[in-house]
Amino acid sequence: RKEVEQDPGPFNVPEGATVAFNCTYSNSASQSFFWYRQDCRKEPKLLMSVYSSGNEDGRFTAQLNRASQYISLLIRDSKLSDSATYLCVVIPSGGYQKVTFGIGTKLQVIP
Amino acid sequence: GAGVSQSPSNKVTEKGKDVELRCDPISGHTALYWYRQSLGQGLEFLIYFQGNSAPDKSGLPSDRFSAERTGGSVSTLTIQRTQQEDSAVYLCASSLVEGKNIQYFGAGTRLSVL
Repeated sequence: RKEVEQDPGPFNVPEGATVAFNCTYSNSASQSFFWYRQDCRKEPKLLMSVYSSGNEDGRFTAQLNRASQYISLLIRDSKLSDSATYLCVVIPSGGYQKVTFGIGTKLQVIP
Repeated sequence: GAGVSQSPSNKVTEKGKDVELRCDPISGHTALYWYRQSLGQGLEFLIYFQGNSAPDKSGLPSDRFSAERTGGSVSTLTIQRTQQEDSAVYLCASSLVEGKNIQYFGAGTRLSVL
């Protein structure tokens, strides 16, 4: 089993739709979780951290389910500008900060 | 600039030549990562530097790949005797290990091996 798994998509959704992505991880000792966004031919950039209690930033909501070992990203009222690849990132606890990226889920918002 | 800087932004080389890619991390960031991303693929971890500790080289695909980080700052990734399958975007990221360990990426070096 891969350390971090994501559905690569693509997810094609109309403008205004709500879309959700999940990301599963295998290491139960994982401590920190993030969602990054990567635009075509650009570097990844931090979208948001994921907190145990769930957190929201505008139209974006991130949640963590430790029992089932997955994180999720919900995007409400999708905009054309949301079209990108969304990467989940998992960091284990402990002194060595090895970071694992998922393969990314591609989102295409269509007019 | 305050971000991660990588050079060159593009590199075209002939098969069999050596190349050097440079990464200048954000000042004060003790952790530095190199990744490779082939077209349409995810990020492939290559190597990790943290302070004065021995680097984690577990992701380097072959002994043709090596990396250094001098003085805890600038890093160079060297690929010897390049092959066509080495063609990819090489991304560098740096972070503060303390706290959330958020990685900040450079714009990458796009390597094309002809």
